[in-house]
Amino acid sequence: AQKVTQAQTEISVVEKEDVTLDCVYETRDTTYYLFWYKQPPSGELVFLIRRNSFDEQNEISGRYSWNFQKSTSSFNFTITASQVVDSAVYFCALRGANAGGTSYGKLTFGQGTILTVHP
Amino acid sequence: SAVISQKPSRDICQRGTSLTIQCQVDSQVTMMFWYRQQPGQSLTLIATANQGSEATYESGFVIDKFPISRPNLTFSTLTVSNMSPEDSSIYLCSALGTIANYGYTFGSGTRLTVV
Repeated sequence: AQKVTQAQTEISVVEKEDVTLDCVYETRDTTYYLFWYKQPPSGELVFLIRRNSFDEQNEISGRYSWNFQKSTSSFNFTITASQVVDSAVYFCALRGANAGGTSYGKLTFGQGTILTVHP
Repeated sequence: SAVISQKPSRDICQRGTSLTIQCQVDSQVTMMFWYRQQPGQSLTLIATANQGSEATYESGFVIDKFPISRPNLTFSTLTVSNMSPEDSSIYLCSALGTIANYGYTFGSGTRLTVV
């Protein structure tokens, strides 16, 4: 079975602070994908990043960066110089990719982290 | 990646009635799924919509309550049957792209309120 744990339920920061959202996962699949999504108050899910299990290279996109460490089963997300517009719920998710596996194709979501950025 | 049109975007329904949510993808996809997000909660997979056959339901979800159809590779419906206030949630359709593109796309969601 797959499991995703986001340790922080809520985080509150002041604008321009850096903030890291933690994500730890469990899976029996040898091949899998990790995702981060943003959910603003409107409710839609905004895709942020997908990372393959065989690619541990960290990634930076503007103010966003992701640290994937397979050894600790973690996929943490950092927002640098946070802005009020970053306020949202952030979900980490895992998709199994072993062909024929029971988790194949299904996304398992973490509980979500509510990020509030104050002016 | 694929683009999903989901409708209705929101609805307020009377208890005991049923609502059908439609999901249209603009290209053929390998898999389609339906998720539920209860207020303040994370997303939970309801079922995998199988093209031309019965959907595969996750534990805790049954066909009588959430009948699903997928008549072709680009369209699926989810019906929430005999609704109660506990069914008030956001329902999201999602699609997994072709093998060449592992992209995962979500519809904009249906915000359902049962009164």
